Amino acid sequence: EPEVTQTPSHQVTQMGQEVILRCVPISNHLYFYWYRQILGQKVEFLVSFYNNEISEKSEIFDDQFSVERPDGSNFTLKIRSTKLEDSAMYFCASSEEYGGYTFGSGTRLTVV
Amino acid sequence: QKEVEQDPGPLSVPEGAIVSLNCTYSNSAFQYFMWYRQYSRKGPELLMYTYSSGNKEDGRFTAQVDKSSKYISLFIRDSQPSDSATYLCAMRNTNAGKSTFGDGTTLTVKP
Repeated sequence: EPEVTQTPSHQVTQMGQEVILRCVPISNHLYFYWYRQILGQKVEFLVSFYNNEISEKSEIFDDQFSVERPDGSNFTLKIRSTKLEDSAMYFCASSEEYGGYTFGSGTRLTVV
Repeated sequence: QKEVEQDPGPLSVPEGAIVSLNCTYSNSAFQYFMWYRQYSRKGPELLMYTYSSGNKEDGRFTAQVDKSSKYISLFIRDSQPSDSATYLCAMRNTNAGKSTFGDGTTLTVKP
């Protein structure tokens, strides 16, 4: 069964450093998303991406965040200057035009 | 008021029981309703996807949507220990785009 692949599975970074989280969505999906989940809290929407541009973003997705689809397969989330409160599980997801998402297994980001 | 409210749980049932998981919502524009299962430190896994009001069945799982009451449910028949997980409801108002998730209900099925 097709799956969404995320790397790395765990990233530890110092406050103020830049991190790039990587995702390979399902190949025939057109819609891509990043969500995050702080430990013990709900899954929160960050951004959706379609046709090589951001289609929607949340208030969490401020100027410190950016997304890119640098080639035909990868989808990345960059956090420019990490803060302690950015520590969370970050999930990439993809979908067809209709239907639910397929999520990746997530990247656990720890900012120290 | 939260846009999506989910019965908080936790819920503990014996193996073989029927489980009912529920969410209410306030945004009448929601048209697409999903249920996901999430194991600890894993990504959510799509269980059910429904559009508008009605019932949908898939094996031991039945999803119900009542848009007039802004209420959705997931029923699990003949529950198994492997069903032990956190269940998340999610909904959105467009065919593709942002989904709003409930807080999740943690279910434990005891052998």
